[in-house]
Amino acid sequence: SAVISQKPSRDICQRGTSLTIQCQVDSQVTMMFWYRQQPGQSLTLIATANQGSEATYESGFVIDKFPISRPNLTFSTLTVSNMSPEDSSIYLCSVDSRLAGGSTDTQYFGPGTRLTVL
Amino acid sequence: SQKIEQNSEALNIQEGKTATLTCNYTNYSPAYLQWYRQDPGRGPVFLLLIRENEKEKRKERLKVTFDTTLKQSLFHITASQPADSATYLCALDIADSWGKLQFGAGTQVVVTP
Repeated sequence: SAVISQKPSRDICQRGTSLTIQCQVDSQVTMMFWYRQQPGQSLTLIATANQGSEATYESGFVIDKFPISRPNLTFSTLTVSNMSPEDSSIYLCSVDSRLAGGSTDTQYFGPGTRLTVL
Repeated sequence: SQKIEQNSEALNIQEGKTATLTCNYTNYSPAYLQWYRQDPGRGPVFLLLIRENEKEKRKERLKVTFDTTLKQSLFHITASQPADSATYLCALDIADSWGKLQFGAGTQVVVTP
C-alpha cells in the first residue's frame, strides 16, 4: 500500500488569497489525482497530475484557478488561487494502487486538507 | 454523463443487525465498482472492489453485490458494531481513463449499542 501525507491539514484563508497544498507519497507513481469534497457533497475529481507533463483538468476546473505542479514521482502541489468562500472544501490527493506497486484497482487517499475561506 | 446515487438519509441501525446500503448508477456500464469508508476529517479508505463479471464479493463482515442489469450495487455490513459508524461511498471507474473514479455522495451509517 501507499502512504500519502498532505500539508497543511487545515487552513483558514481570506478571500482573494491563494493556498498551496502539498501531497507526498512514499512510493514513486506516474499519476496522482486531486479531488475536492465540498461540505455534504461527494468527491469530485479536479485534475490528474502527470510527472513530466501538464496536468489534465476535468470539466469545470481550469489551470488558472487550480495550478498543479508535479516536480517528481513522489510529490505534487495543488494551488487554490484567488479564493472565494465557494472554494471552502476538503482537498484530497490520491494515487492508483496499481501505479504504486499494488495489484488491485483501488485508490489510496491522503488525509485531506480542510480549507475554509472567509 | 454518468450518475451515481446513494441514499442521502443516514442509516441508523442497532448493533448486531445488518446494514444494507444501495448504490445506483445510470448512463454507464462500469468495468468495476468500489466501496470506500470515510470517517470525519479523514480521506476515504478502500474496502471492496467488485468487477462487472462478479455477482458477489465478501470480506470479513462485508458483502457487496453487483447487478449490472439493474445497474445497482448493494453493500452489506453484517453483525454491525458501533465502530462501523462512518460514511460509505461507492465509486465507479470513469470510461476510457486510467485510475479516475466518480464517487457517489455517500451514505452515513450510525450503529448504536
